[in-house]
Amino acid sequence: AQKITQTQPGMFVQEKEAVTLDCTYDTSDQSYGLFWYKQPSSGEMIFLIYQGSYDEQNATEGRYSLNFQKARKSANLVISASQLGDSAMYFCAMREHYGGSQGNLIFGKGTKLSVKP
Amino acid sequence: NAGVTQTPKFRVLKTGQSMTLLCAQDMNHEYMYWYRQDPGMGLRLIHYSVGEGTTAKGEVPDGYNVSRLKKQNFLLGLESAAPSQTSVYFCASSYTPGAANTGELFFGEGSRLTVL
Repeated sequence: AQKITQTQPGMFVQEKEAVTLDCTYDTSDQSYGLFWYKQPSSGEMIFLIYQGSYDEQNATEGRYSLNFQKARKSANLVISASQLGDSAMYFCAMREHYGGSQGNLIFGKGTKLSVKP
Repeated sequence: NAGVTQTPKFRVLKTGQSMTLLCAQDMNHEYMYWYRQDPGMGLRLIHYSVGEGTTAKGEVPDGYNVSRLKKQNFLLGLESAAPSQTSVYFCASSYTPGAANTGELFFGEGSRLTVL
């Protein structure tokens, strides 16, 4: 079973509108971390936002917010006021055994977002 | 601030040749990782290390070996390259995840390897 599922291979959004990128995860751990990364066409991986499983409030970083619904095991990324520069691949990732020795991040397959002018 | 540096950035190999990818980080991170990225597959973990002298297998370790002789360096080796190893390889590093930090990954720019 996939640990991280991103069901939207590609999405379009009009410039200045908000968009939600879906991410569901599968873990039996109580302590874990969720991450979103952006990969523009230039190829680098850019960290956007983090949510810990014990965080009571949804994480926000500028125009990015993470809609964390623990019971549903979803961690959707919301981008407000989309800009042309937001066109990129977006990856959701999870670290299990948070704070333990395992350490590695498991990535979803990504969603390609295209912002239309 | 160099961050995470990978060398080489591009390489073309013939089947059966060997090569080593070097990853260096200057952030004093304990954890280091090698991922490969293939179209439609996301990033898959090859090997990782939680400290100097330690290595562990990830999701797709076959055909690769790694070494972490120094804290700042993590080497990925291909002993006998195969066309299936054509990919973009990313190195990353992180602090030890815990209460003080998120353990986010800091990535290198990637190395594009083609095996003919």
